[in-house]
Amino acid sequence: GQQLNQSPQSMFIQEGEDVSMNCTSSSIFNTWLWYKQDPGEGPVLLIALYKAGELTSNGRLTAQFGITRKDSFLNISASIPSDVGIYFCAGLMGGKLIFGQGTELSVKP
Amino acid sequence: GAVVSQHPSWVICKSGTSVKIECRSLDFQATTMFWYRQFPKQSLMLMATSNEGSKATYEQGVEKDKFLINHASLTLSTLTVTSAHPEDSSFYICSARQGHGELFFGEGSRLTVL
Repeated sequence: GQQLNQSPQSMFIQEGEDVSMNCTSSSIFNTWLWYKQDPGEGPVLLIALYKAGELTSNGRLTAQFGITRKDSFLNISASIPSDVGIYFCAGLMGGKLIFGQGTELSVKP
Repeated sequence: GAVVSQHPSWVICKSGTSVKIECRSLDFQATTMFWYRQFPKQSLMLMATSNEGSKATYEQGVEKDKFLINHASLTLSTLTVTSAHPEDSSFYICSARQGHGELFFGEGSRLTVL
């Protein structure tokens, strides 16, 4: 089935550092979404992107919808310990959300 | 904001028994609900799409007779794992939306089959 390739798979960073992760797909999506999932909980929406080329910020988070509509990246600036978790990209196609494999972020105080 | 609630949060059952998981939209009418399964350290995989009042649409490879989905009202969908086996142990997550609105996720239900 459809698949989004998300990288990196995991990251270990120092508090205060910036983080970048991205997703690519062979298919075109009309909407890209970025979620964060804490252990034992459902994913929580961070940023939604609706237009190719769109750059959207939510606090320290910035995400962009690639111009080809086949990719997106998420940046986290000045990371803090509570940024720890798994970040998923997701593309909306035919009313269904297709998820990337996730990026597990660890932040060392 | 809108809230989607799942119950139970976790359940342990014996192999061969059936388990029902509920997904409720608390402050909106969910015309569509989705059920996902997530194995440890893996992504969310869509199992089925449920529209109120009609039969669920299952993704390829998901057994409809094993994973029974009912969406009898605009605020409730249930997933029943029939004759559960240890390989069915997973984190089951539902999501819901009203029309083409934003999608909201439940907290997830962790199933452990002994």
